[in-house]
Amino acid sequence: AQRVTQPEKLLSVFKGAPVELKCNYSYSGSPELFWYVQYSRQRLQLLLRHISRESIKGFTADLNKGETSFHLKKPFAQEEDSAMYYCALGGSGGGADGLTFGKGTHLIIQP
Amino acid sequence: DAGVTQSPTHLIKTRGQQVTLRCSPKSGHDTVSWYQQALGQGPQFIFQYYEEEERQRGNFPDRFSGHQFPNYSSELNVNALLLGDSALYLCASSRPGTGIYGYTFGSGTRLTVV
Repeated sequence: AQRVTQPEKLLSVFKGAPVELKCNYSYSGSPELFWYVQYSRQRLQLLLRHISRESIKGFTADLNKGETSFHLKKPFAQEEDSAMYYCALGGSGGGADGLTFGKGTHLIIQP
Repeated sequence: DAGVTQSPTHLIKTRGQQVTLRCSPKSGHDTVSWYQQALGQGPQFIFQYYEEEERQRGNFPDRFSGHQFPNYSSELNVNALLLGDSALYLCASSRPGTGIYGYTFGSGTRLTVV
């Protein structure tokens, strides 16, 4: 069965400090991993996906198949990064299977 | 472009009743997926509709059913409501061929069952 684990419900860091949001997954096939973000009073939106190997708003995430992890990192946190972050897993089937989300981590950046 | 539109925004129903939630996809999108997000949880996949048919279904009972119309809009129906059905219901649409790679989410419908 697919499973996504985000061990931290809440993460509080100071502005300018590095941020790492942890995500571990369980999947028997070839995984597709995503990070979604929800800012206060806004809709859930895609932040980045592993297949693109991109950096969005200074965030990066590397898929580590050996450790079955997809941690989200940013070297210098900014106050506008405060939000709810969800890690999500999709199957290699791509289209119809839907995403399996973790429970989310509430990131608070203190001034 | 209004993006994905869901209605109503809030709804209160009594146990045992039936409810219909609606979703209009983003312009140019033809696939609609529904998710249930209980308080303190991540969204959970209910099912996906494409070409007016249910393509895939998550671990939800038959009380949850849906429909997609020729204009790509979709409805989620829940029969015999239980207290545990109280949640935020999210609709996500995607462009042809993008599936999970191109989701745009709506703001959701908050369903409270009393």
